[in-house]
Amino acid sequence: GENVEQHPSTLSVQEGDSAVIKCTYSDSASNYFPWYKQELGKRPQLIIDIRSNVGEKKDQRIAVTLNKTAKHFSLHITETQPEDSAVYFCAASGNTGNQFYFGTGTSLTVIP
Amino acid sequence: NAGVTQTPKFQVLKTGQSMTLQCAQDMNHEYMSWYRQDPGMGLRLIHYSVGAGITDQGEVPNGYNVSRSTTEDFPLRLLSAAPSQTSVYFCATTPGSSYEQYFGPGTRLTVT
Repeated sequence: GENVEQHPSTLSVQEGDSAVIKCTYSDSASNYFPWYKQELGKRPQLIIDIRSNVGEKKDQRIAVTLNKTAKHFSLHITETQPEDSAVYFCAASGNTGNQFYFGTGTSLTVIP
Repeated sequence: NAGVTQTPKFQVLKTGQSMTLQCAQDMNHEYMSWYRQDPGMGLRLIHYSVGAGITDQGEVPNGYNVSRSTTEDFPLRLLSAAPSQTSVYFCATTPGSSYEQYFGPGTRLTVT
């Protein structure tokens, strides 16, 4: 089955700096890569996603890049703010879209 | 629209007891999934369903049963609870037309 690895497990940045979280996946059939933000005690919420036919996608301060050849994708958050502090999860899904495999999460702390 | 609902929010069980975690959705989504979330391990897929009457196993199905008699409901049954099943359980849905997952608020289960 699919194996998704995520790094780093913890990340601290100064407010205004950028944060980058990286994931790798093993199954070349995976073609959908979402990123979720989870605040303490809350449910995961989708913040951005990318499909395998696209190399990069941006939404305001958040961007995701995908390298299919190397089987890795990354989340980039620019101009970080304290409210960006949360745990971020990457995931991968194949053609069916009903099986998602998650990374182990990155705890991001933005220091004011 | 309530979205995805889960009951109960919290539950404490003794080893060997059985119980059912409820998940309901009012979005007419085809796909429903159950995940468990443990510290440092991300979300792991327990069981999933692609429609009423159809279920399949995910990564960690042992000790759990599911059924899907209607589009709306997808209960998760713990047959004989074990301390290793202490976790936070999330139900999620996905419309058949897209891959975006919608998570319920979660159930925190403690087995003593």
